[in-house]
Amino acid sequence: GAVVSQHPSWVICKSGTSVKIECRSLDFQATTMFWYRQFPKQSLMLMATSNEGSKATYEQGVEKDKFLINHASLTLSTLTVTSAHPEDSSFYICSAYSKDTQYFGPGTRLTVL
Amino acid sequence: GNSVTQMEGPVTLSEEAFLTINCTYTATGYPSLFWYVQYPGEGLQLLLKATKADDKGSNKGFEATYRKETTSFHLEKGSVQVSDSAVYFCALSATSGTYKYIFGTGTRLKVLA
Repeated sequence: GAVVSQHPSWVICKSGTSVKIECRSLDFQATTMFWYRQFPKQSLMLMATSNEGSKATYEQGVEKDKFLINHASLTLSTLTVTSAHPEDSSFYICSAYSKDTQYFGPGTRLTVL
Repeated sequence: GNSVTQMEGPVTLSEEAFLTINCTYTATGYPSLFWYVQYPGEGLQLLLKATKADDKGSNKGFEATYRKETTSFHLEKGSVQVSDSAVYFCALSATSGTYKYIFGTGTRLKVLA
C-alpha cells in the first residue's frame, strides 16, 4: 500500500518550453502533497506544499509563476515548469501525505537543453 | 527551530559489518521520526519510523529507537549487504500541523563485497 507514482520518469525539453509532471497516489487519497527538488548528491529541497482544492504554498525563494502547481483531486497533483531554462534541470520528487507519513514518488529527471 | 543532524558520509563497510548512522534532532513538542532510503536514480522509500519516545522502528534488519533523552534516532543494522548501498535520510515531522518534514543532509553508504 501507499504507492505514489510520477510521470514522466524523465523528460528532455528545449529551453523556453513548458513541462508538466504528474504525481499520483495510487491506493490512497492525499489532501496534501509536496514537491521537492534534489540536486546531485544533495538533500531534498522543499519547493511547495500542494493542498487539494486550494492554492499551493511555496517556500521562500521559489517562483510560483515559474513552478505552477495544481492539486485538482485527492489523488493527483501536477507541477508545471514554465518557460524552462537549463538551470531548471534537476530531479523533481513529489510526496503524498497520509497518516503522519510522507510517501514519495520515484522522481522525474528534467533536462532542459 | 526544528533541525536534523546526520553524520557525514560516505560510509564504506565490508559486507556483514555492523552499521550505525547517527541522527540527532532539535524540535519543539514531540515530532515523529523517520528513516528513508534512496537508491541511485530513484525516489525515497520509507525504511522505518517511530512516533513517540522509546518506540523502536524496524524493517529489513534495520532498527532505530526514538531516544528523547538524547534527542537521537540512530539507524543500525547488524549485518549489511552490498544491496544496502544507498543514501539514507533521517527526517522529522514538524509539529505545527503543516505536515512538512525536516530532512538531514543524507548519508551515503557503500558496502563492499
